[in-house]
Amino acid sequence: GAVVSQHPSWVICKSGTSVKIECRSLDFQATTMFWYRQFPKQSLMLMATSNEGSKATYEQGVEKDKFLINHASLTLSTLTVTSAHPEDSSFYICSAKCLAGCQLGTDTQYFGPGTRLTVL
Amino acid sequence: GQQLNQSPQSMFIQEGEDVSMNCTSSSIFNTWLWYKQEPGEGPVLLIALYKAGELTSNGRLTAQFGITRKDSFLNISASIPSDVGIYFCAAKSGGSNYKLTFGKGTLLTVNP
Repeated sequence: GAVVSQHPSWVICKSGTSVKIECRSLDFQATTMFWYRQFPKQSLMLMATSNEGSKATYEQGVEKDKFLINHASLTLSTLTVTSAHPEDSSFYICSAKCLAGCQLGTDTQYFGPGTRLTVL
Repeated sequence: GQQLNQSPQSMFIQEGEDVSMNCTSSSIFNTWLWYKQEPGEGPVLLIALYKAGELTSNGRLTAQFGITRKDSFLNISASIPSDVGIYFCAAKSGGSNYKLTFGKGTLLTVNP
């Protein structure tokens, strides 16, 4: 158990367009999901915490109007990169906090496979 | 802010050798986690530790939650080529704070 999927796995877009990334918990419910950004050869940087049914909490320095997060159900959170620019190119990874029934422990985060965004 | 110091930054070993990596912090944590990330993939949870002093194994992997709650180590025994990847430690404070603090990762290369 505790499988998290992301879609798309990669996307290439033109500068100025918006891109939506989906994060789904496939076999468990997640009231809390997290969005991370990772640059090459670096660790994960938390962007925001997504809470089902309420507004996301953004980390310092992350523009909430730039990175729109919607957590409309217990299994789906979306991240929309609005008016994307080349500097937004990165590997975006979501995670979901498992509350119960997960193999390696509850109250811990399981990660999706990531989405590679390239903005031309 | 909270920081995790993960070492070594990289390791090059021969197949069959044992591996050890660790994370330390000046802060106290209630949960320690070890993840493995392969190129182009998200991190995969390997071991979760919830109690100080806890020693947990997952196949050839063994990890311990330090008694001071400020450190953790991960050992891999009898390494194989598929162990290649970046290993991250992560830790969480208690209560309603669900955010993870990550180490910078240890890049493991296993020569066949």
